[in-house]
Amino acid sequence: EDQVTQSPEALRLQEGESSSLNCSYTVSGLRGLFWYRQDPGKGPEFLFTLYSAGEEKEKERLKATLTKKESFLHITAPKPEDSATYLCAVEFYGGSQGNLIFGKGTKLSVKP
Amino acid sequence: GAGVSQSPRYKVAKRGQDVALRCDPISGHVSLFWYQQALGQGPEFLTYFQNEAQLDKSGLPSDRFFAERPEGSVSTLKIQRTQQEDSAVYLCASSLRDREMNTEAFFGQGTRLTVV
Repeated sequence: EDQVTQSPEALRLQEGESSSLNCSYTVSGLRGLFWYRQDPGKGPEFLFTLYSAGEEKEKERLKATLTKKESFLHITAPKPEDSATYLCAVEFYGGSQGNLIFGKGTKLSVKP
Repeated sequence: GAGVSQSPRYKVAKRGQDVALRCDPISGHVSLFWYQQALGQGPEFLTYFQNEAQLDKSGLPSDRFFAERPEGSVSTLKIQRTQQEDSAVYLCASSLRDREMNTEAFFGQGTRLTVV
C-alpha cells in the first residue's frame, strides 16, 4: 500500500538552531514529491516540488532534498515565524493528477 | 481573485442535514481538487476535475458525497444527510496543470464543517 510517513511528529527548536524534517515514502513510481507549509486555520501553502532523486531546491531558510526513498526539509537558522506544520505529499504514476498522498505533518515550533 | 476562495469558512449542520460547500478557483486554472482534512491529520484526496470533467472521484467516502463543476470554474461539494464522521475541514485546490504539465496546487483556506 502506498504510504507517506513524516518524522518527527513535533519538533521544538530554539531560534537559530538548524534541523531537518524527514518524509519517507513507499509508492510504486514517484511522479513528484511536494512540501507544503500549513498555519493554523489556513490551507496548505506550496513550498517545493521535487521530481527525481538528487534534486534539491531552496527558498530562504528552507532546503528540500530527495532520494529514492525519502525527502528532507532542512531548516537553517530558523526564526519564530517559521513555526507551522510542514506537510509532505507524493503523487504517483497510476494515480490521477492531483491525487496526492499526504503525510500527517511535522509540527514545528521555534522559540525566540 | 488572487487566490482560491472557499465559502462558507465555517458551517455547523445538524445530523441529517444537507450541506453545500463552494470553491472559486484561481482564474484560468484547469484543474480543481477537493480534499478532506481531519483534525491532526494530513489532507485526504476526495475528487479531481479537469475543466468540467470529473476525472477521478475515487476518494469520495460514500454516495452521500457529490461534487460538480458545471462550467469548468466554480465547484460545489455537496454532502447529503450529514453524519458526525463528516466533521472535518474541506479543502479546495486548483492548478494550471494539464496532462503534460506538473505544476503546484494552490489551496484555499478551507471550510470547517461541524456536524452536531
